[in-house]
Amino acid sequence: GAVVSQHPSRVICKSGTSVKIECRSLDFQATTMFWYRQFPKQSLMLMATSNEGSKATYEQGVEKDKFLINHASLTLSTLTVTSAHPEDSSFYICSAGGVAGLTQETQYFGPGTRLLVL
Amino acid sequence: RKEVEQDPGPFNVPEGATVAFNCTYSNSASQSFFWYRQDCRKEPKLLMSVYSSGNEDGRFTAQLNRASQYISLLIRDSKLSDSATYLCVVNIGDSGYALNFGKGTSLLVTP
Repeated sequence: GAVVSQHPSRVICKSGTSVKIECRSLDFQATTMFWYRQFPKQSLMLMATSNEGSKATYEQGVEKDKFLINHASLTLSTLTVTSAHPEDSSFYICSAGGVAGLTQETQYFGPGTRLLVL
Repeated sequence: RKEVEQDPGPFNVPEGATVAFNCTYSNSASQSFFWYRQDCRKEPKLLMSVYSSGNEDGRFTAQLNRASQYISLLIRDSKLSDSATYLCVVNIGDSGYALNFGKGTSLLVTP
């Protein structure tokens, strides 16, 4: 149980385009979803926290108008990278937490999305 | 100063060896502690939580020293399949349980 999927697994796009990444909890409902970003040989860095039905909370330095997060249901959160640039190329990983019946702090990670902006 | 610091390694050890990883964290308000494992180009997977009393899961033993703000992971009888990056992860209980990750320690177990 507690499977999280992400789509797409990898995407290549041209500079200036927007890319949407979906994160789904497949067999459970998650009240909170987190979006992380990982550059090569770096640690995962939290970008934002989203709770279903409310606005996402962004970490310092993360532009909310550039990284749009929508958490419309307890099983789906989306991250849209708007007007992507080469420096946005990274590994984007979502996680779902707040799973009913499990320890609140437990998070389940999606398989990640590799974004390459040319 | 980074919130979670780890020796990046790499640690190259032969099969069957015992290896230990250390981690320090800067925020004394940290409440939860974990070790995650991340394979190359994959998402991190929870290896084990770390409790104040120390805990063991098979060949893996985790220790926490709150006074020194120090966490350790001991792997006994290393297997080839243990080769991965081990991430020290800390949660300070705010931001809805968001996690702070160390950069990870790379382990390579050789035949």
